[in-house]
Parts: sequence; C-alpha cells; structure tokens
Amino acid sequence: AQSVTQLGSHVSVSEGALVLLRCNYSSSVPPYLFWYVQYPNQGLQLLLKYTSAATLVKGINGFEAEFKKSETSFHLTKPSAHMSDAAEYFCAVSPFSGSARQLTFGSGTQLTVLP
Amino acid sequence: EPEVTQTPSHQVTQMGQEVILRCVPISNHLYFYWYRQILGQKVEFLVSFYNNEISEKSEIFDDQFSVERPDGSNFTLKIRSTKLEDSAMYFCASSGTGYTGELFFGEGSRLTVL
Repeated sequence: AQSVTQLGSHVSVSEGALVLLRCNYSSSVPPYLFWYVQYPNQGLQLLLKYTSAATLVKGINGFEAEFKKSETSFHLTKPSAHMSDAAEYFCAVSPFSGSARQLTFGSGTQLTVLP
Repeated sequence: EPEVTQTPSHQVTQMGQEVILRCVPISNHLYFYWYRQILGQKVEFLVSFYNNEISEKSEIFDDQFSVERPDGSNFTLKIRSTKLEDSAMYFCASSGTGYTGELFFGEGSRLTVL
C-alpha cells in the first residue's frame, strides 16, 4: 500500500523567499512521485515528476524536487517565490511497476505568498 | 495544447436524482480516470478505464457509480441515486500509452447534492 504525507496544510512565504513544501511517501515498491498544482477554480496541473532517472527533478515555473530514498522524501522547492505561485500543491505517488496507474494524493499544502 | 474538458462545471441536484458527468479526454490517450475531492479533503481515486472496461476501482466506487465510453470521444461518470455525501469536485483525467504516470486532469465538475 502506498501513502503520502504532506507536512503543513498551509505555508506562507514572502515574495522572493525560498519555498519549501514537504512530502514524505511510503511505498512497498519503488514509486513514481509527482507534484501537482491547483490554482483557484482550475484543475490539477503537473509541476514535475520523478520516474527513477535523476534524483533532482526540475519542473515548470522554476520548481524542483529531490528524491531522497533514505529519507523517503520528495520535497518541493523554489528559490524565489512569486505572487503567482499562490495555489494548492499536491504530492502524489504511484507504483513504479505493475498495471496500477492510480495516483495516491497527499492532503495538499496551500501556499500563500505575501507581498 | 490538448486538454481534458469536463461538463458541466457545476451541477446542483436533489438527493436521489441521477447525475451524469461528462469528460472528453485527450484524443490519443487510452487510459481514463475519475477522481473526486470532497471539500477540504484529499483528491481520491475512484476508477480507471482501459480498453472499454474498468481496470481498477476504489472502495468508494460502489454500485451507485458507473462509467462508460459511449463513443470515441466521451467518457462519462454516472451516479445513479445521489446522496448528500456525493457532493464533491469530480476530476476526469487521461493518460497515454507509455506509462510515466503522468495524468492530465480536467478542470473538474462540482457536484452539489441538496
């Protein structure tokens, strides 16, 4: 069984400050890991994904995440927050192998960017 | 850029009524999904569909739910007799043949059951 834990349901940062959104996973097999973003009144948009290639993954809008197997973590970072980054961010996991394609989502982290 | 489209964006219905939510997946995708998000809760998997049949479903997807691909473009979720607890945002998603796990989501259909 897989699960995802996102620490912090709400995170506030100042514009220009570092963004760090935490995600820890548990999985019985090596997983695929994802970060999705949801802007108000919109669907889920893929930010980046880890699929067992490079452990440091770069995504859209300047975000990146590092897969750390020893810590079972996949934290999302951005060096400098922008007002447009305000949204809800979801970490998700799916099995590396097998036929299962369903994603298991974390509970989400609402990011607020302060001027 | 190709996208997944969903209709309606918002539907209000009375408890016990049947509801059909519609989705048009990305045209060359073969895997289709429904997820839901109850207000303030996690996004939850409901069902996946491939080759005209359900490939996986969660425990949420009980007998009141059904999915169908009635033609070459639409993918529908039917809730037979809605309950108050079915009120949620329902997301359709699709993915292509190569499995990288990337799902493309629609903007969602908000269902309100009164």
